[in-house]
Amino acid sequence: GAGVSQTPSNKVTEKGKYVELRCDPISGHTALYWYRQSLGQGPEFLIYFQGTGAADDSGLPNDRFFAVRPEGSVSTLKIQRTERGDSAVYLCASSADRVGELFFGEGSRLTVL
Amino acid sequence: GNSVTQMEGPVTLSEEAFLTINCTYTATGYPSLFWYVQYPGEGLQLLLKATKADDKGSNKGFEATYRKETTSFHLEKGSVQVSDSAVYFCALIYNQGGKLIFGQGTELSVKP
Repeated sequence: GAGVSQTPSNKVTEKGKYVELRCDPISGHTALYWYRQSLGQGPEFLIYFQGTGAADDSGLPNDRFFAVRPEGSVSTLKIQRTERGDSAVYLCASSADRVGELFFGEGSRLTVL
Repeated sequence: GNSVTQMEGPVTLSEEAFLTINCTYTATGYPSLFWYVQYPGEGLQLLLKATKADDKGSNKGFEATYRKETTSFHLEKGSVQVSDSAVYFCALIYNQGGKLIFGQGTELSVKP
């Protein structure tokens, strides 16, 4: 499809396990963002890539969270030693050159038991 | 720091009623302002934007005016439809290419 694709759409894991969430942005979009959304809250910024490099990772909550975008297209958000508080919907968005105009995927819902 | 505050929901209206969803912001400098909408089962999508003071953004019958003097960007629509039922998010960006900062969202439910 032509939109932002996120996989898996749903992930249930146990406390302490490792999780990877994948984002496939719109072709040609150089900027890619990860956000986290808890129930009843707005999206909370995690990290932003411009090309292959992380331009701003100030929203990553701690060193258990890491994201890569090795070829400037697909990105993976990695969470180590998951905790119950990590349960949320993780949103990915991509953007061309228009400031603030983000195209969001439908999200990956992570549940940590 | 930079932040966005929206009126709490849910907001429940009858079809053809007038809608206002309040949004105020705190920011250094002159941010650009946005409204995003999330329809049930869909991803967030841009509804409208304004990049400088006194600009009015509009789309699908919705409007919002960037008011620097009151640091506000209230969303309005003259006559809502059932299909407008969604969660609406106000957001700002305060430097070129930087991160969007979102409010907590306001759920709108329109009844026939």
